[in-house]
Amino acid sequence: AQSVSQHNHHVILSEAASLELGCNYSYGGTVNLFWYVQYPGQHLQLLLKYFSGDPLVKGIKGFEAEFIKSKFSFNLRKPSVQWSDTAEYFCAVADSGGYNKLIFGAGTRLAVHP
Amino acid sequence: DVKVTQSSRYLVKRTGEKVFLECVQDMDHENMFWYRQDPGLGLRLIYFSYDVKMKEKGDIPEGYSVSREKKERFSLILESASTNQTSMYLCASNRVRGNTIYFGEGSWLTVV
Repeated sequence: AQSVSQHNHHVILSEAASLELGCNYSYGGTVNLFWYVQYPGQHLQLLLKYFSGDPLVKGIKGFEAEFIKSKFSFNLRKPSVQWSDTAEYFCAVADSGGYNKLIFGAGTRLAVHP
Repeated sequence: DVKVTQSSRYLVKRTGEKVFLECVQDMDHENMFWYRQDPGLGLRLIYFSYDVKMKEKGDIPEGYSVSREKKERFSLILESASTNQTSMYLCASNRVRGNTIYFGEGSWLTVV
């Protein structure tokens, strides 16, 4: 069965610090990869997605993620975080060769201090 | 504008009640999903459906059932609600060969 692991459950950073959130998945077939964000009191928003092509994907709000197939990883990065990036971040995988159902990681809560 | 609509945003039910959560999508999507979201656990797949009258168990189907009589509608049923089913429930839909999944706004269910 597919699974998604997010290594950091809580991350605390100061503004302007760099961010990297880890995501690993287990699935042997072709996958589509996603990062979602949920700001306090709001519903999920898509940050970025990878289907094929360039493994370095750029998303909204200055986020990017790199797909490393050999490591089954899709880590999220941002060079300089802002207080407004305080949110919960979810990595997700869809089995594009199957039913295309989306499986989520447990999430990482990011708190950015001014 | 594409839409996944969950009819009930906030519900309070008693233990043992039968609960129906309804979801409708207007995009002619083949797939529909029910997730529950809990702090520290992320979104966990309860059931999904890839066609009318077809359903597959997700990771946590116990205590739930689903119904998909029409392509646009996917219902989640709690046969006998329990307090551990207090949660946020999210409906979603996508195409089998598509690359975007659309979420509803969620239904907050409290079982007392």
